[in-house]
Amino acid sequence: QVQLVESGGGVVQPGRSLRLSCAASGLTFSGYVMHWVRQAPGKGLEWVALISYDGSIKYYADSVKGRFTISRDNSKNTLYLQMNSLRAEDTAVYYCARGAPPDVWGKGTTVTVSS
Amino acid sequence: QSALTQPPSASGSPGQSVTISCTGTSSDVGGYNYVSWYQQHPGKAPKLMIYEVNKRPSGVPDRFSGSKSGNTASLTVSGLQAEDEADYYCSSYAGSLIGVFGGGTKLTVL
Repeated sequence: QVQLVESGGGVVQPGRSLRLSCAASGLTFSGYVMHWVRQAPGKGLEWVALISYDGSIKYYADSVKGRFTISRDNSKNTLYLQMNSLRAEDTAVYYCARGAPPDVWGKGTTVTVSS
Repeated sequence: QSALTQPPSASGSPGQSVTISCTGTSSDVGGYNYVSWYQQHPGKAPKLMIYEVNKRPSGVPDRFSGSKSGNTASLTVSGLQAEDEADYYCSSYAGSLIGVFGGGTKLTVL
């Protein structure tokens, strides 16, 4: 069964850092583009970052460029999102998703940025 | 990247059809046949319903269909059922691998 499980969310103060992980199982992880998509409370979906199957190509939304870094470890079937200089507006549920367009999604992990 | 424009709400009675629009520009919706639609129930992850304008993933009922004309894409749900009540989001390829989402439409089954 194809499954993506996010972890690493929590409550963090503005300006601090957090690292999210997404563990994949039941699929050939290394063969797919992977995404991070977020959803602020009561709001719509926002693409955050994308990484190619081999990690050589990365794209970021303007809202996170220079602060967030997407990476992957194909040997561990795991996707990461390093989030630095966090702001209140980064508060959201963060989903990892597979493919183009994303056809398999995790259940999400909640990040709350608050003092 | 500017969000695609969707109506905030739509509604229909069981058995009826409802169409949700998604308007972009020639740089996204109008420029590529890579429009997708997602269904999201409260507290759940999005589910892919339509990709490449009008293709359905395995397991998605054929009551769901997609189309596009110019810079506007549409999702039609025919034979509305209670379980179709959810938020629906369109998305489009926009010239980079990062796509753009619409603001979402809340579909109510009356």
